[in-house]
Amino acid sequence: TQLLEQSPQFLSIQEGENLTVYCNSSSVFSSLQWYRQEPGEGPVLLVTVVTGGEVKKLKRLTFQFGDARKDSSLHITAAQPGDTGLYLCAGGRGYQKVTFGTGTKLQVIP
Amino acid sequence: DAGVTQSPTHLIKTRGQQVTLRCSPISGHKSVSWYQQVLGQGPQFIFQYYEKEERGRGNFPDRFSARQFPNYSSELNVNALLLGDSALYLCASSLLNQGTQYFGPGTRLLVL
Repeated sequence: TQLLEQSPQFLSIQEGENLTVYCNSSSVFSSLQWYRQEPGEGPVLLVTVVTGGEVKKLKRLTFQFGDARKDSSLHITAAQPGDTGLYLCAGGRGYQKVTFGTGTKLQVIP
Repeated sequence: DAGVTQSPTHLIKTRGQQVTLRCSPISGHKSVSWYQQVLGQGPQFIFQYYEKEERGRGNFPDRFSARQFPNYSSELNVNALLLGDSALYLCASSLLNQGTQYFGPGTRLLVL
């Protein structure tokens, strides 16, 4: 069973602070996605990374895929209250049977 | 364009009953996957269907079944409901067998 461990599980920070969320596995993934999910809604895709060492930026969010394609990180600069939500990483191995991480619940306090 | 739609949005059932959840993929998408998300956890893969055939199955009992119709919509059926089946059931569609998945808002099932 492929497992994706996310850390931290919970994060409560003040508006304007920076943060990093980690997603780690012992398995190699062909691609890794990051999603944000708000209460009562389905996950919304933020980014897909496919190449080891790849870095993608989405406004204040920076995503990195590990060189060995076993881990990833999400860094948020100057967090805003609108960033509040559950952040999920998900790893795929070529088919749709993706494995989701355990999730990181972020709260940004104004 | 409409995104992935699911119905119903909420459902309350009692133990032992059966439930059917429905999903309409994004227009043109041929793959539908189903996930179960228990409160506080990440989604767990249940099924994937592509071109009306089952292409993947997660670690769920036979009480869970699904099918995909010629218009690519899908139904998830759960028989003999248990309290532990209470969860948010998510449907995701993608254009092909592989590729980016887009999630619907989910159906929240409560089993009493």
